[in-house]
Formats: sequence, structure tokens, C-alpha cells
Amino acid sequence: AQTVTQSQPEMSVQEAETVTLSCTYDTSESDYYLFWYKQPPSRQMILVIRQEAYKQQNATENRFSVNFQKAAKSFSLKISDSQLGDAAMYFCAYRGDNYGGSQGNLIFGKGTKLSVKP
Amino acid sequence: NAGVMQNPRHLVRRRGQEARLRCSPMKGHSHVYWYRQLPEEGLKFMVYLQKENIIDESGMPKERFSAEFPKEGPSILRIQQVVRGDSAAYFCASSPWASGTNNEQFFGPGTRLTVL
Repeated sequence: AQTVTQSQPEMSVQEAETVTLSCTYDTSESDYYLFWYKQPPSRQMILVIRQEAYKQQNATENRFSVNFQKAAKSFSLKISDSQLGDAAMYFCAYRGDNYGGSQGNLIFGKGTKLSVKP
Repeated sequence: NAGVMQNPRHLVRRRGQEARLRCSPMKGHSHVYWYRQLPEEGLKFMVYLQKENIIDESGMPKERFSAEFPKEGPSILRIQQVVRGDSAAYFCASSPWASGTNNEQFFGPGTRLTVL
């Protein structure tokens, strides 16, 4: 069974600085997708960034980028120029590809609570 | 295009009552997933449905929980005879496809269930 591990329950960053959130996963599948979701106090799940496992290039979305190490099964999120609005829970998630037999549900880590200091 | 709708947003039930949670997927989406989030935890998959079919219910508790996604109307997650341990946030997500690159799941705002 696939698992997702976030080893940092809490992280803190100074406004305008850079922070990296860690995520590792375990799978025997060759095709899959990885995601980072943000959950602010409103509890709405917001997709931050996604990575297809078959792509070697790391995904980037404005101030958010990932470091995807497929062999190491590592998928970290880097937030540059941190803003107060970035404060939230961040969840790493895995999704197998249906063609590999997976039903497509997301498997989440336990989350990292990010605080941003002004 | 409206997002995924869930209602109610908050639901309070006494032990032994029934809870019905509704989810209307985004227009054009025929795949619905239900997840449960316990306090201080990540989301856990419960069930995956397509119109009129349960595809995967491997995450559903064996008793008291059921789900449906009828041909017309919203998807329903039903919890019978609720217990305090059912208190959680329940999220619904929909996607246009279950596989391939266009498989992003869009989440609703969740229903927070409190069992007294």
C-alpha cells in the first residue's frame, strides 16, 4: 500500500524568507501524481502545485516550487518570498494512475502547519 | 462555473441519530470522492463513486456508513446511529476523469460534523 510521510508537524518562517516543507512517499507504482494542498483556517483544500512522476522537470507555480527526487521518493515544497497569507496547513498527497490499477483516490500525509512571522 | 458544493457546512447530531451529507460536483464532473479529516490529521479516503456506481469503498467503515451518487441529484454520504468518534470534517472532491493528466480533484468546503 502507498504511504505518504510528512516528518515536520510544524514549521515557521520569517516573512519574505524561504521555507522548505518535506514529504516522502512509498509506492511500487511507476506512474503516479504528487500534489501539495494548502488548508487555511477556513478548511478549504486548495491545490498549490502538482507533479507528474514521468516528468523529470520540477514543477513551479509562481513562488512555489518542488524538488522531486523520484529515486529517493521525495517531494519537497519550497515557498519563496513567504507571505502572511501562506500561513496554513500544507498536505502532501499521492495519487496513482488508473491505468496502473489505482482507483485514483488521494493519499495524504498528516500535514505540516506553517506559521509566517511578520 | 460553480465549484463543488457541500451542505450543510456544519451539522450537529446527538448520538444515535442519522447524518446525511450532500455533495454536488462541479458541472461536467462524474467522479466523486469522499474523504474524512479527523482533528489534527490529514484527509483519509472513504469512497469513490461514479454516477449510480460505487467504484471503491475500501476506506469506508464496514457498518453504519453508506454512500450513493444517483443519476440525478447530489452524492450523499449517510452515517447511521452516529457516535462521538464520527465527529470530523467530511470533504467531497470531484474530477472530470479518474486517470490521465486531467485528473485534478476539486474539493468542496467540507461539512463539519459534531456528535454530542
